[in-house]
Amino acid sequence: EPEVTQTPSHQVTQMGQEVILRCVPISNHLYFYWYRQILGQKVEFLVSFYNNEISEKSEIFDDQFSVERPDGSNFTLKIRSTKLEDSAMYFCASTRGGQGSDGYTFGSGTRLTVV
Amino acid sequence: QKEVEQDPGPLSVPEGAIVSLNCTYSNSAFQYFMWYRQYSRKGPELLMYTYSSGNKEDGRFTAQVDKSSKYISLFIRDSQPSDSATYLCALSWGKLQFGAGTQVVVTP
Repeated sequence: EPEVTQTPSHQVTQMGQEVILRCVPISNHLYFYWYRQILGQKVEFLVSFYNNEISEKSEIFDDQFSVERPDGSNFTLKIRSTKLEDSAMYFCASTRGGQGSDGYTFGSGTRLTVV
Repeated sequence: QKEVEQDPGPLSVPEGAIVSLNCTYSNSAFQYFMWYRQYSRKGPELLMYTYSSGNKEDGRFTAQVDKSSKYISLFIRDSQPSDSATYLCALSWGKLQFGAGTQVVVTP
């Protein structure tokens, strides 16, 4: 079964440092997403990406965040200057169709701890 | 009013019982309805998805959608201890909006 792969599984970083979270979506999927889940809270939408550009972003996704698809397979989320409140699980997801008609497939997540 | 409401539980049932989960939503623009299972500190795993009102069955799982009432349900028959997890409803009209998740505990 095809899967979304995320690395690293756990990242510890100092406040103010930059981090890059990496994702390899399913190969024939066209729409890519980042979601975040703070411990004990609901899964929240950050950003959607299609055709090499951001199609939608939430109010959480401020100037400290950026996404990139640097090659044909990787999809990255960069946080420029991490804050304590950025500590969370970050999930990458992908779909074939943009409306989610075939469901969204999620990776197993990166646990980001900012100290 | 939250767009997607889901009782966080916990919901404790004995092994073999039927687990009944539900969500309500307020935005009639939602077109696709999904249920995910999430184990602690893991990614959401897609269980069921549908886009129309009515029932959809897959093994021990049945998803129900009532668009007129803005109400979706998931039933798990013959529940097993391995079904213990958090179950998330998720609705989509372009981006996916999650409910808070219901923690389910199936006791042997």
